[in-house]
This record gives sequence, C-alpha cells and structure tokens, in this order.
Amino acid sequence: GQSLEQPSEVTAVEGAIVQINCTYQTSGFYGLSWYQQHDGGAPTFLSYNALDGLEETGRFSSFLSRSDSYGYLLLQELQMKDSASYFCAVPDSNYQLIWGAGTKLIIKP
Amino acid sequence: DVKVTQSSRYLVKRTGEKVFLECVQDMDHENMFWYRQDPGLGLRLIYFSYDVKMKEKGDIPEGYSVSREKKERFSLILESASTNQTSMYLCASSLIGTSGQETQYFGPGTRLLVL
Repeated sequence: GQSLEQPSEVTAVEGAIVQINCTYQTSGFYGLSWYQQHDGGAPTFLSYNALDGLEETGRFSSFLSRSDSYGYLLLQELQMKDSASYFCAVPDSNYQLIWGAGTKLIIKP
Repeated sequence: DVKVTQSSRYLVKRTGEKVFLECVQDMDHENMFWYRQDPGLGLRLIYFSYDVKMKEKGDIPEGYSVSREKKERFSLILESASTNQTSMYLCASSLIGTSGQETQYFGPGTRLLVL
C-alpha cells in the first residue's frame, strides 16, 4: 500500500530552526507537497518538490531525496505564527493526494 | 485569489438525519474533493469529482454520497447520519492535471457533530 510517515509533534523555540521529516512508500512517485494548517483553519499549500534537492521560499525550505523516499520541511527563524500542523502529501497513480497524519509544531517563546 | 466556501462552519445533527454539506469554488476548477479530518489520521478522501456529474470514490466513501450538478458546486450527503461521522469535513478544489503538482485549495471546513 501507499503511506506517509511523519512525526506527530515537534517542539522548538522561537527564533530557532526546525526540521519536519516525511518518509513515503508509494507505487509510483510524482512529487512531495507540504501544506500548513493552523488550528481551526484550512490547509494551505506551502511547497512542492518533484526533483531531488532543496527548494527555498523565504524562511521555509523543502528537501527531497527520491532515492531515500524521504523529504523534509525546514523552517528558519521560527515565529509564534508558525505554530500549526504541517502535512506532507504525495499523489497516487490517479494524481489524487495521499496525506500524512500531520506534524503539530509547538513553538515556545 | 481562489475562494472555496462551505455552507456551514458548524452543524449539529441527530442520528438518522439526512445531512447536506455544500461547497462552492469560484476559480473554474475541474477537480473538487471532500475529505474528513480526524485527530491523528490526517485527511482522508471521501469522494472526488473531475467534472460535472462525474464522481469517484475515495478511501472512505461508505455512508456518504455526492452530487455535482454544476462545475462550481460539490455537495456531500450523509444519507443517515451516525455518531461515527462526527468529524471535520473539508472541501477542496484544484485544476485538472497530469503531474500531481496541482495545488489543492481548501474551504474553511464544516465541523459536524452527530448526536
């Protein structure tokens, strides 16, 4: 079957750097997406990696290693507003997204 | 900006009632999705639609049906609500594509409580 694994919770300090990992098992691979969801809010798209390497968008970066079936989301200069749940997702053979269970990021002052 | 709206933010229904959840998107997206979200389980796909009157089952379609009579509107129907359908329901839309890269845009969600 197809599945994604990510930690259920990560804690970090304001101003620090945090990495949220995602490992996946899929029959085919097209790319890895990351979404952010604040409590009570809707998921919003953050990034998509189809190729190996690091993609940077401001304070957020996303990394992919297809040979390791692994990716991560890197958040730098953490702010309290980054407290949220982060989901990794991959498309299945019908291009519909399969979602990880989400990582709750707790930021302490 | 893409806007996806859902008919209710909160709903309380009784067991056995028929429940309608409506979703409207304003960006002419072909794809529309219904998910439910439960703690620790992430987002699970109930149904999706890639065109008017077309629907495909997702991972957990049992107890649900859908309707897409117009491109912008996708309805989720609980024919006879049960307590195990208490959940957050999220609607999303996206362009149709062939790479899996197409961003999904979500509505604010409907928190349904079935008593």
